[in-house]
Amino acid sequence: GENVEQHPSTLSVQEGDSAVIKCTYSDSASNYFPWYKQELGKRPQLIIDIRSNVGEKKDQRIAVTLNKTAKHFSLHITETQPEDSAVYFCAAIVYGGATNKLIFGTGTLLAVQP
Amino acid sequence: SQTIHQWPATLVQPVGSPLSLECTVEGTSNPNLYWYRQAAGRGLQLLFYSVGIGQISSEVPQNLSASRPQDRQFILSSKKLLLSDSGFYLCAWSVPLTGEATGELFFGEGSRLTVL
Repeated sequence: GENVEQHPSTLSVQEGDSAVIKCTYSDSASNYFPWYKQELGKRPQLIIDIRSNVGEKKDQRIAVTLNKTAKHFSLHITETQPEDSAVYFCAAIVYGGATNKLIFGTGTLLAVQP
Repeated sequence: SQTIHQWPATLVQPVGSPLSLECTVEGTSNPNLYWYRQAAGRGLQLLFYSVGIGQISSEVPQNLSASRPQDRQFILSSKKLLLSDSGFYLCAWSVPLTGEATGELFFGEGSRLTVL
């Protein structure tokens, strides 16, 4: 089955700096890669995603890149702000019939220091 | 618009007692439904998923079971809780992945279970 590895597990940056979180996946059939943000005590919410027919996608201060050959994808946050502090999860979809079974990475705790 | 409700929000149960967590989705039909567990406030482990009424797939062997008695209702149960069942349980739904559907998961607010 699919296996998603994520690193680093914790990341501390100064406000205004950039943050990069990296993930690798094992199943070459996976073709949808979302990123979720979970603030303390709250539910995870989608912040950006990318499909396998695209190499990069941007949304204001966040961007995701995908390298299908190497089976890795990354989240980039520029000009970080204290409100970016949260746990970030990458995920990959394994196709199993009519279902989309999302397998998550282990998460990265991002702390943005004011 | 679609909404997802999950309850109870918090639960403290003794070892060996039963468990029932319930999740309902409104505003959509035939959703894919999921139960995830989050231990130690970090990783999201997929426990069960369902593509239709009565159709349950289990991802990991465990002390829990799931049922889907109605299209938009998903229940997580246990007959006898273990200490290791403590954690934050999240129900989620998605549109079945067809065409240009993104497969985005929409999570409930979670149920925090403490087994003593």
